[in-house]
Amino acid sequence: DIQLTQSPSFLSASVGDRVTITCRASQGISSYLAWYQQKPGKAPKLLIYAASTLQSGVPSRFSGSGSGTEFTLTISSLQPEDFATYYCQQLNSYRYFGPGTKVDIK
Amino acid sequence: QVTLRESGPALVKPTQTLTLTCTFSGFSLSTSGMCVSWIRQPPGKALEWLALIDWDDDKYYSTSLKTRLTISKDTSKNQVVLTMTNMDPVDTATYYCARTLYSSGWYWFDPWGQGTLVTVSS
Repeated sequence: DIQLTQSPSFLSASVGDRVTITCRASQGISSYLAWYQQKPGKAPKLLIYAASTLQSGVPSRFSGSGSGTEFTLTISSLQPEDFATYYCQQLNSYRYFGPGTKVDIK
Repeated sequence: QVTLRESGPALVKPTQTLTLTCTFSGFSLSTSGMCVSWIRQPPGKALEWLALIDWDDDKYYSTSLKTRLTISKDTSKNQVVLTMTNMDPVDTATYYCARTLYSSGWYWFDPWGQGTLVTVSS
C-alpha cells in the first residue's frame, strides 16, 4: 500500500503570507495527486487534481506542483477564507488520503 | 448542479447496525465513470475512506472494515445506502458521501455531501 504523509501537520501564518504544504508518497505516483480544502464544520472541497490542475472556481492564488513522490500545494497570498485543513489524495486509488495540514491564523 | 445529502440516525448504541442513506441529484449512477463513496472523519481526525460503489454495481470496501460494511445503490431513487454492523464508540464520526469520478485509472471526490454526525453511545 502507498502511504501519504504531509508536512507540516500544522502551520501558523498571517494574511498575505505565502504558504507551502508538502505531500509525500511512499512510492512514485506520477502526477496522480489531488488536494482538498476543509473548512471547520464543512465538507472537504476539491481544489487541485492531477497535481497541478485547478478545479473550476478555485482562486488562482492556489497552485500545485510535483510528480513522483513529492508534491506541493502553494497559496501565494493567504486570505482569511483560506484558513482550513488541507488533505492530499492519491488519485489512482480511492483509498488513501494524507493526514492533513491545518493552516491556522498567527 | 450536483448535490448529495446524507441521512440517518444521529445516535446509535454499541453493537447496533448503522444505516446511512446518500440521496443525490445532478448525475446518474448508471453513467460510466460515476461512483459514490462513503468517507468518515472522527472528531478532530483525518478522513478515512470506507466504501465505493460504481456505475457497474461493483463494490469496494476498506480493508480494515470490510467485514462490517455493505454498500448498495438504488439507481431509480438516486440513492446509495451504507450499512455498518456492530457499531462501537470508536465509530463516532461525521460520515460523508461523495460523488467519485473515475477516468483513466483516476478517482477523485467531487462534490461531497454536508456530512452527518453519528455518535455511538449507550
